[in-house]
Formats: sequence, structure tokens, C-alpha cells
Amino acid sequence: AQSVTQLGSHVSVSEGALVLLRCNYSSSVPPYLFWYVQYPNQGLQLLLKYTSAATLVKGINGFEAEFKKSETSFHLTKPSAHMSDAAEYFCAVSDYTDKLIFGTGTRLQVFP
Amino acid sequence: DAGVIQSPRHEVTEMGQEVTLRCKPISGHNSLFWYRQTMMRGLELLIYFNNNVPIDDSGMPEDRFSAKMPNASFSTLKIQPSEPRDSAVYFCASSSRDRSTGELFFGEGSRLTVL
Repeated sequence: AQSVTQLGSHVSVSEGALVLLRCNYSSSVPPYLFWYVQYPNQGLQLLLKYTSAATLVKGINGFEAEFKKSETSFHLTKPSAHMSDAAEYFCAVSDYTDKLIFGTGTRLQVFP
Repeated sequence: DAGVIQSPRHEVTEMGQEVTLRCKPISGHNSLFWYRQTMMRGLELLIYFNNNVPIDDSGMPEDRFSAKMPNASFSTLKIQPSEPRDSAVYFCASSSRDRSTGELFFGEGSRLTVL
């Protein structure tokens, strides 16, 4: 069965600092991996996805993630945090079915 | 283009009452998902449909929960009778069958409070 583990339910950074949100996955088949973002009182929206093409995936708003099979990781990064990045971020995995299994989420706070 | 539309956005009800949440997926999408989000359990997949047929309902917590998709443009999630522990935000999402995208499009959610 597929699963993802997000390390750290809360991450705080200063504006302009590096953002690193961690995600490790477990999958019996080569996975499809996703990062979604949820702003307050809104639904989730896709940041980026890995579907077995390039291992370094670029998404919206300057975010990127690197698929590392040897580490079973798909960490999300952004070189310089902005106040508007404050939100909850979810890593998700699918196994070629329609289902996405989400992690527990990481709340990102950005301080001025 | 209209996104996934959910109603109501907020519902406050008393324990024992029936609750019906509604969802209109994006036109042309053939998969529809119901998720529940709580602080304690995060995002849980309750059920999903493909071409209006329920494919996996293993996440439906109890017989009090039921979901239907009578046509490609409408789905309901019903809770009868409701209990305080059902309080959560319920999200509907849709996607196309094209696996090269694998993207779910979420509605804004229905926040349910059961007193």
C-alpha cells in the first residue's frame, strides 16, 4: 500500500529564508508524487507533480521538489520564502489508480 | 471555467439530523472524490467514483454515511443520523482519467458542525 510521511507538522521561517518541507513515501510500484497547498478556508491546489519524468520538478510560486528514489523522498523547497507562502502543504502519492493518499500536512509560517 | 462547486459552504446542525452535502464536478471530469479533513485525522479519502460508479468506499466510516452519483455532473454525500464527531470539512474533488496529469481539482469545502 502507498503512504507518505511528512516530517514536521509545523515549520517556521523568516521571510527570505530557505523553505524545506520534508516528505518520504512508501510505494510498492514507482509512484506518482504530488505537493498540494491549502490556503485558509480554501480547497487544495496543485503545486507540482512527479510522474517519472525529470527527477527535479518545478512548480508554481517558485517551489520545486526533487524525487530521490534511494532515499524514498520528495522534499519541497523554495530558495526564498515570502509572506504569501504561509499555508498548509500536503504531500501525496498515487499508484496509477485514481486515488491520492495524502500526508498529514505541514503548516508553514513565515515571519517578517 | 467553473471549478468544483460544493454546497453548502457551512452547515450547522443538531445531532441526529440528516445532512446532505452536494458537489458539482468540473465538466468533462470522470472521477470524483469525497475527502474529509479534521485536525486529528488530516485528509481522509471517503469514497471515489469513476464514470458515476463507486470504485472504492473503504474510507466511509460507518453505515451512517452514504454517497451517490446519479449523473456525471452531480454527487451527494449524506450523513444520517449525524453525530458531533462528524464535524469536519468535507471536500469534493474531481479529475480526468488521463493519468499523465493525475491532478485533483478541489472544491472549497463544506464545513459541517454537528452540535
